[in-house]
Amino acid sequence: DGGITQSPKYLFRKEGQNVTLSCEQNLNHDAMYWYRQDPGQGLRLIYYSQIVNDFQKGDIAEGYSVSREKKESFPLTVTSAQKNPTAFYLCASSLSWDQPQHFGDGTRLSIL
Amino acid sequence: GIQVEQSPPDLILQEGANSTLRCNFSDSVNNLQWFHQNPWGQLINLFYIPSGTKQNGRLSATTVATERYSLLYISSSQTTDSGVYFCAVNSGNTPLVFGKGTRLSVIA
Repeated sequence: DGGITQSPKYLFRKEGQNVTLSCEQNLNHDAMYWYRQDPGQGLRLIYYSQIVNDFQKGDIAEGYSVSREKKESFPLTVTSAQKNPTAFYLCASSLSWDQPQHFGDGTRLSIL
Repeated sequence: GIQVEQSPPDLILQEGANSTLRCNFSDSVNNLQWFHQNPWGQLINLFYIPSGTKQNGRLSATTVATERYSLLYISSSQTTDSGVYFCAVNSGNTPLVFGKGTRLSVIA
């Protein structure tokens, strides 16, 4: 089945630790996105990539980093500089910039 | 940047009732999507509707681009319709911007 796979579903981070969230798609989409959702809130854009080897910061990029070395993969690293990382993280992809976005099932990150 | 406002913020319905959710946006758009986020957090595409009207079963949506609003209609609501409904738009080269959502609770 074609789709977007995020892993892990749940992740715990210790103070001072970097963690990486995985996002893989087999839809042959060019564009990929990372969003953060806090409880009871909407989605905020962290980073996006319109093409391989290129990505741009979204509204809340501080404390996060990404890479786009392969079309199907867009991993997100939550660094120790992100002081409040507890949230629900959603990855999405779309055929191109103005086409519908499709979402993975998300990763819940918590601080130990 | 473009602003997106959704109303109402919260809605409680008896099973079988109909409802209308509204999304207002501040600029012309080239993408408008409606999503349903279920209680487990999954975000499900409902409609891609930058203009016009679409229907899918008990759900339908209308976007009037010239007046900068979109409506999502839910008929004969069921408990499985509960969750949060998001409207999201983008304009030109800007990223997709999400509204704050409408939280729907359908009571049996």
